[in-house]
Amino acid sequence: GESVGLHLPTLSVQEGDNSIINCAYSNSASDYFIWYKQESGKGPQFIIDIRSNMDKRQGQRVTVLLNKTVKHLSLQIAATQPGDSAVYFCAEGSQGGSEKLVFGKGTKLTVNP
Amino acid sequence: DAGVTQSPTHLIKTRGQHVTLRCSPISGHKSVSWYQQVLGQGPQFIFQYYEKEERGRGNFPDRFSARQFPNYSSELNVNALLLGDSALYLCASSWQGSGQPQHFGDGTRLSIL
Repeated sequence: GESVGLHLPTLSVQEGDNSIINCAYSNSASDYFIWYKQESGKGPQFIIDIRSNMDKRQGQRVTVLLNKTVKHLSLQIAATQPGDSAVYFCAEGSQGGSEKLVFGKGTKLTVNP
Repeated sequence: DAGVTQSPTHLIKTRGQHVTLRCSPISGHKSVSWYQQVLGQGPQFIFQYYEKEERGRGNFPDRFSARQFPNYSSELNVNALLLGDSALYLCASSWQGSGQPQHFGDGTRLSIL
């Protein structure tokens, strides 16, 4: 069946450290992947996306890595700040047809000052 | 520019009632999707509409229905409410559908008594 899972439900880091959030997906037909940040009381906020024809994509302080061989996705946050504290979701989808995204349960990132 | 807006922000209903949730997409976005997020879990896909036509439907009962209007705004309707329908209902919009980042509103918190 469909599933997008996260290896670690919680992650605690020190301010200034780099954070790595991991995600496993099971649908080999998925060709679009996306990371969201959700703060308490708010909707998910788009961070970065990647298509299956890429292995790596960088944004501002964030990098997403895609390993299609082992169906693994990771989000790296450089120089983590207290404002990065939130729940992070990975989601998988398709570039054709329905816009449906399948989300995992999320990883709660806590940044300690 | 305004993001995705949803109304109302909070709603309390009793079992058996009907509810209508509303969503206005980002200006220029033609695709709207609805998700249900139960506390502690990732969002779950309900519907997608693109250019006023249904493009996808998740595993939800027929009590759930939606539509998209000519101005691309959307409504989600839920009939015969059950306690289990208590959740955060999220609306997301994108420019043209699959393979594009979906941008979420802050949701409607629905509580069923």
